[in-house]
Amino acid sequence: GEDVEQSLFLSVREGDSSVINCTYTDSSSTYLYWYKQEPGAGLQLLTYIFSNMDMKQDQRLTVLLNKKDKHLSLRIADTQTGDSAIYFCAVDRGSTLGRLYFGRGTQLTVWP
Amino acid sequence: EAGVTQSPTHLIKTRGQQATLRCSPISGHTSVYWYQQALGLGLQFLLWYDEGEERNRGNFPPRFSGRQFPNYSSELNVNALELEDSALYLCASSLEAGHLGYGYTFGSGTRLTVV
Repeated sequence: GEDVEQSLFLSVREGDSSVINCTYTDSSSTYLYWYKQEPGAGLQLLTYIFSNMDMKQDQRLTVLLNKKDKHLSLRIADTQTGDSAIYFCAVDRGSTLGRLYFGRGTQLTVWP
Repeated sequence: EAGVTQSPTHLIKTRGQQATLRCSPISGHTSVYWYQQALGLGLQFLLWYDEGEERNRGNFPPRFSGRQFPNYSSELNVNALELEDSALYLCASSLEAGHLGYGYTFGSGTRLTVV
């Protein structure tokens, strides 16, 4: 299977919370990231969590990490139409070789 | 502060030709990474350069090559282009070798189309 898996699509109504889920296979991952890609643009780092943390909050973003289940989630509170984008989960698999392993991305669509 | 810049934005080539893509990292960043984002396949790791040396290479054929210059800018060359090389090529840079929690900073990419 894939190193990092995400569901491909998520639709929510404006003002609701969005939860994007990610599972990974390698428990040695040290840093786990969430990136956002808007149409025609590169990837923007949204947030990351260190493997010894369970939760990290940054304004409207909350990252939850369940190391036992190798599950990472990104919650966006009060989702806005401007949040519509593709969200990528990425892990390092404990690598020191500069490589990140990305999921295929979740297309978030926010309806007004 | 200027971000990671890539050129050209779009590139159209014929099968069998060579393509050269360029990347300038953020000032002070010594590591440059290349990824291929093909439709439906997510991001695939191509190459990592640091201090002018190739440090790691993804599972791509040798016709994908590159280099890093003394000013830390980088070039990706794709020889003998095939139709399946059509993709968005993303360059990223980081302050230190590897990413150490700061993550990469990505450029906007070069859209390569092979016809």
